[in-house]
Amino acid sequence: QKEVEQNSGPLSVPEGAIASLNCTYSDRGSQSFFWYRQYSGKSPELIMFIYSNGDKEDGRFTAQLNKASQYVSLLIRDSQPSDSATYLCAVNGSGATNKLIFGTGTLLAVQP
Amino acid sequence: ETGVTQTPRHLVMGMTNKKSLKCEQHLGHNAMYWYKQSAKKPLELMFVYNFKEQTENNSVPSRFSPECPNSSHLFLHLHTLQPEDSALYLCASTPGTFPDTQYFGPGTRLTVL
Repeated sequence: QKEVEQNSGPLSVPEGAIASLNCTYSDRGSQSFFWYRQYSGKSPELIMFIYSNGDKEDGRFTAQLNKASQYVSLLIRDSQPSDSATYLCAVNGSGATNKLIFGTGTLLAVQP
Repeated sequence: ETGVTQTPRHLVMGMTNKKSLKCEQHLGHNAMYWYKQSAKKPLELMFVYNFKEQTENNSVPSRFSPECPNSSHLFLHLHTLQPEDSALYLCASTPGTFPDTQYFGPGTRLTVL
């Protein structure tokens, strides 16, 4: 069974802190990894994607990928209350490049 | 929302009704998707269309019937649904080139009575 696993949370961090969100996946053939943010009652919106081992930074967000450990993470620096949302990790299936497998998401709560 | 639009945004229907969900993408993408999102469960892929051809049917019950008349439009026809089909139904599209990022519409909140 191909899976993407995330801690459902809630992950509570104080405003200004670094939030660290983690995701593991089971399909070693996966090539692309995505982080989506979903506010309550809204649709997922893309934060960033990564496909090479290492770090990728975009503003306050950093995605980290370790294919050997089958692990991808998202760091949010200087967390703001507006970052409070569910963060979905998605991994492409090795059999089809346009088929994503989503985790259940981690609920992040940033406390003012 | 000018990228991927969905109508209606909310739908309440009885188990004997027939209704349709509509999705339109204005991004020039080649692939379109239907997902189901239920509480406490991961997004469930239902159908995938590439260049109007269905390439994935993820064991979806026949009471859900997709239609893709062209690369910009996708429908989900609903009939004799069950209360457990109540969920957020999301449409997405992708360009068909690596990394093939999925762009989601706002979703249709469906309630089956």
